[in-house]
Amino acid sequence: ELKVEQNPLFLSMQEGKNYTIYCNYSTTSDRLYWYRQDPGKSLESLFVLLSNGAVKQEGRLMASLDTKARLSTLHITAAVHDLSATYFCAVPSLGDDKIIFGKGTRLHILP
Amino acid sequence: GAGVSQTPSNKVTEKGKYVELRCDPISGHTALYWYRQSLGQGPEFLIYFQGTGAADDSGLPNDRFFAVRPEGSVSTLKIQRTERGDSAVYLCASSLTAGGTDTQYFGPGTRLTVL
Repeated sequence: ELKVEQNPLFLSMQEGKNYTIYCNYSTTSDRLYWYRQDPGKSLESLFVLLSNGAVKQEGRLMASLDTKARLSTLHITAAVHDLSATYFCAVPSLGDDKIIFGKGTRLHILP
Repeated sequence: GAGVSQTPSNKVTEKGKYVELRCDPISGHTALYWYRQSLGQGPEFLIYFQGTGAADDSGLPNDRFFAVRPEGSVSTLKIQRTERGDSAVYLCASSLTAGGTDTQYFGPGTRLTVL
């Protein structure tokens, strides 16, 4: 059974700092998704990573995928308060298209 | 263009009652997913449709839960004999196709509270 783990689950950081959120998954998959969720809101797609070694960047966020290590990272550069949200990674279960989400990383950026 | 819409946005019901939650996907999207999200947790997969058929319903917790998508567009999630443990936000998402290469677009969710 596919399990998706994120760490940390909660992160409080100062504006201007860099940090990385990690997403590990337990069985083979060649794709991974990152979402953002603001309090009381639905999920917004950030990145779709479709192959080993894929790297995507949008503003201060950069995501990468290493399918051999079953690991994805979401790197935040020079954080700003607007990036405060909960970030989820999600992995499709191989062979059945069911998508399993991690528990989320709640990011709080202090001004 | 219009995104995924869900109605109602909030539903309060009493234990034992029947509820229906509706999802209108983005026009032309063939894949439709239902998830349940409890407080502080990630979305939990329930069921997904490819066209009119349920391609995978293995996430439905028990036989009180049922979902339909009769014309391959709008979907309804039906919960019979609701229990307090069913309280959660129910999210719907659609994508152009299944298989995961297309972005899933999420609706705003329906917050279900069972008293």
